[in-house]
Amino acid sequence: AQKITQTQPGMFVQEKEAVTLDCTYDTSDPSYGLFWYKQPSSGEMIFLIYQGSYDQQNATEGRYSLNFQKARKSANLVISASQLGDSAMYFCAMRGSTSYGKLTFGQGTILTVHP
Amino acid sequence: DVKVTQSSRYLVKRTGEKVFLECVQDMDHENMFWYRQDPGLGLRLIYFSYDVKMKEKGDIPEGYSVSREKKERFSLILESASTNQTSMYLCASSQWGIVGNTIYFGEGSWLTVV
Repeated sequence: AQKITQTQPGMFVQEKEAVTLDCTYDTSDPSYGLFWYKQPSSGEMIFLIYQGSYDQQNATEGRYSLNFQKARKSANLVISASQLGDSAMYFCAMRGSTSYGKLTFGQGTILTVHP
Repeated sequence: DVKVTQSSRYLVKRTGEKVFLECVQDMDHENMFWYRQDPGLGLRLIYFSYDVKMKEKGDIPEGYSVSREKKERFSLILESASTNQTSMYLCASSQWGIVGNTIYFGEGSWLTVV
């Protein structure tokens, strides 16, 4: 079984500041991937960043980076230089090598960026 | 561009009605999924399919069924809608294979059962 935990229901950040959204996971799969998605109020799910369990380096995509600590089973999303358009719901998700491609999601964190 | 299209964006149905939510993808993906999203609970998997006519229960299949007669289409069926099925439903698809394959989502269907 796989489990994703996001312990921050809501986060606030000032525009242009950096923010970290927490994600911890649990799985028995030997190989897995971790994903972060952004969901604006319109409802669409926007893929942000991916980290494979065997990747040696932390993933980065523009202003997004993933702080992957395998031993601690955490995969925190760091957004640098926050923008007003970053205000949204953020989901952490994982997929194991034995799970038929299913994604397991966390509860989500609502991020609000203040001007 | 990959596209996952959900037939209805907003629906209002009566208790006891049979409800069909349709999803079509245009990338020849083997895997298709139906999720339900509720505040504080994240997305929960209802059913998934890894091939035509193949289906597997997810975490919350009770009250739902699915149909996959063609590779590109995956339908979610509420046999007798109830008010506790009021929710946002998201369809998704991905290629079979490695864990890093991107999963693509539709825009979501907001269902209200009255």
